[in-house]
Amino acid sequence: LAKTTQPISMDSYEGQEVNITCSHNNIATNDYITWYQQFPSQGPRFIIQGYKTKVTNEVASLFIPADRKSSTLSLPRVSLSDTAVYYCLVGLGAGSYQLTFGKGTKLSVIP
Amino acid sequence: EAQVTQNPRYLITVTGKKLTVTCSQNMNHEYMSWYRQDPGLGLRQIYYSMNVEVTDKGDVPEGYKVSRKEKRNFPLILESPSPNQTSLYFCASSPIEGGRYEQYFGPGTRLTVT
Repeated sequence: LAKTTQPISMDSYEGQEVNITCSHNNIATNDYITWYQQFPSQGPRFIIQGYKTKVTNEVASLFIPADRKSSTLSLPRVSLSDTAVYYCLVGLGAGSYQLTFGKGTKLSVIP
Repeated sequence: EAQVTQNPRYLITVTGKKLTVTCSQNMNHEYMSWYRQDPGLGLRQIYYSMNVEVTDKGDVPEGYKVSRKEKRNFPLILESPSPNQTSLYFCASSPIEGGRYEQYFGPGTRLTVT
């Protein structure tokens, strides 16, 4: 089963770049890696998704090494509004559509 | 507007009184799922559905039922709620495209069972 492991929490100052790494040693060949952001008492919101190498959109970048056993979400120049919990999610693949979120990383942005 | 809606948003009930939490999406997504979120435990999947009449268990299915009679709706049924089912519940939907899951989440239903 492709479970994920992330740091429980991280602190960062405003304006800095933040990198959150997720470990997924048992990722299946056809699984994508997806990151979500969640604010208190709200549903998670999709941030970015990738399969390999690097993906960039208007809010984040996702770096995936060749072995795909980990991934790194990069948030450029964070602001106070980026304070949230970030989840890494991978599918279980092999024809199973059960999805398991990890416990997430609580990012606190300090002024 | 593309969205996932859940009702009710808040519910206080008593042990053993059957309840249903509705979930509806207007994006024609094949995949729908229910999660519960508890402090310190993150999001845990209860049930999911690949399409109409196709459902399967997630990580924590005990005490819950689901049905998928229409593509847009995926209600969560608690036949005999117990206090340990007090939680924040989220419904989500997603298109299916190979191994991609871009889930759209509803606003959540906060359930208290006394």
